[in-house]
Amino acid sequence: RKEVEQDPGPFNVPEGATVAFNCTYSNSASQSFFWYRQDCRKEPKLLMSVYSSGNEDGRFTAQLNRASQYISLLIRDSKLSDSATYLCVVTARHSSGGGNKLTFGTGTQLKVEL
Amino acid sequence: EPEVTQTPSHQVTQMGQEVILRCVPISNHLYFYWYRQILGQKVEFLVSFYNNEISEKSEIFDDQFSVERPDGSNFTLKIRSTKLEDSAMYFCALVTGTTRTDTQYFGPGTRLTVL
Repeated sequence: RKEVEQDPGPFNVPEGATVAFNCTYSNSASQSFFWYRQDCRKEPKLLMSVYSSGNEDGRFTAQLNRASQYISLLIRDSKLSDSATYLCVVTARHSSGGGNKLTFGTGTQLKVEL
Repeated sequence: EPEVTQTPSHQVTQMGQEVILRCVPISNHLYFYWYRQILGQKVEFLVSFYNNEISEKSEIFDDQFSVERPDGSNFTLKIRSTKLEDSAMYFCALVTGTTRTDTQYFGPGTRLTVL
């Protein structure tokens, strides 16, 4: 089983649509959860952290279900500029105290069209 | 977001040659990471660096790879004898705060092409 699994898409949606991405992770010891956005041939950029209580940032809502090891991202009123690849990312605590490595999913590609 | 630059933006090299990729943070950071992304594939962790030593490394990070912070500022990734399969984007990442659980921000990357 992949450590972090996402539907690769692409998701082609019209402008203004609502789109949802899902992600599952295999390591039950995972501590922190994020959605990053990556434009073609660019670096991953943090979109938002994900908390068990759910969190919202403007048009973006993220949810975490630890029991099901499932993370979601909802984008409302999608815009052309939302076209990108959305990366589901988890970390697990490192035992010896150094930094926590990020484990990435393969990403879900979103194309917002006129 | 912290500012970080990476040099060069694109490096073309012959197989077997050594390359050094540089990450230059604007301000002081404690935790550094290198990741790579082969074209069309996911971002993969290579190594984390804390307090001037490696804290964790992946299976990819074999004896051909090394990292250091030679002048207390720049953070470098060296590949001693490049292989065709080392062709990828290499990203450094920094943690903004002083705890390892803080968010990681990525530099713009270096595209390495091995011929």
